[in-house]
Amino acid sequence: GAGVSQTPSNKVTEKGKYVELRCDPISGHTALYWYRQSLGQGPEFLIYFQGTGAADDSGLPNDRFFAVRPEGSVSTLKIQRTERGDSAVYLCASSLLREGTEAFFGQGTRLTVV
Amino acid sequence: AQSVSQHNHHVILSEAASLELGCNYSYGGTVNLFWYVQYPGQHLQLLLKYFSGDPLVKGIKGFEAEFIKSKFSFNLRKPSVQWSDTAEYFCAVMGAGNQFYFGTGTSLTVIP
Repeated sequence: GAGVSQTPSNKVTEKGKYVELRCDPISGHTALYWYRQSLGQGPEFLIYFQGTGAADDSGLPNDRFFAVRPEGSVSTLKIQRTERGDSAVYLCASSLLREGTEAFFGQGTRLTVV
Repeated sequence: AQSVSQHNHHVILSEAASLELGCNYSYGGTVNLFWYVQYPGQHLQLLLKYFSGDPLVKGIKGFEAEFIKSKFSFNLRKPSVQWSDTAEYFCAVMGAGNQFYFGTGTSLTVIP
């Protein structure tokens, strides 16, 4: 596609529920990143995929968070037993993974846990 | 791990004023440096980037940034801001691990 696409754009869920957030990166981009952005803060790194594998998942806050990228393209961020503190904008970005290339961001998914 | 510090959290300027936003990073190796902008209601967009060569880089909309290796800094500048520059500005660093790390951002408000 022309850009990074994230769905849904907004998600409201009840505390304790399970949610999935989808990211469709730019075609051909090897690297895919997930970030979380709270109000007034910068994007907080969660996980980074190189192809199908998670090259670095050190930013995932706890084991309720999990992400997959089974075919090296679309990725899904999964959050179990959601808590109110999980409310944030979840950003996805993709990159060609060459020196000097930037990350291209999607519009984000605004998750609200009530 | 890399970290990025942006010292100005909220800046208010009048149109035509000059802008400089500070960015410092902590990482001893080779880095790629970026400034991103987020206009109200829009996604993060690249303003400019540095990965090698001339430490003074020019980006879109008249922005520029200077990489000073000895100071671990990559400050963003614009000689004359416009109302349309009102946005959030984020400095980012990419190190050897290929992750992007962002600063907390600077909110710029330009008063007409």
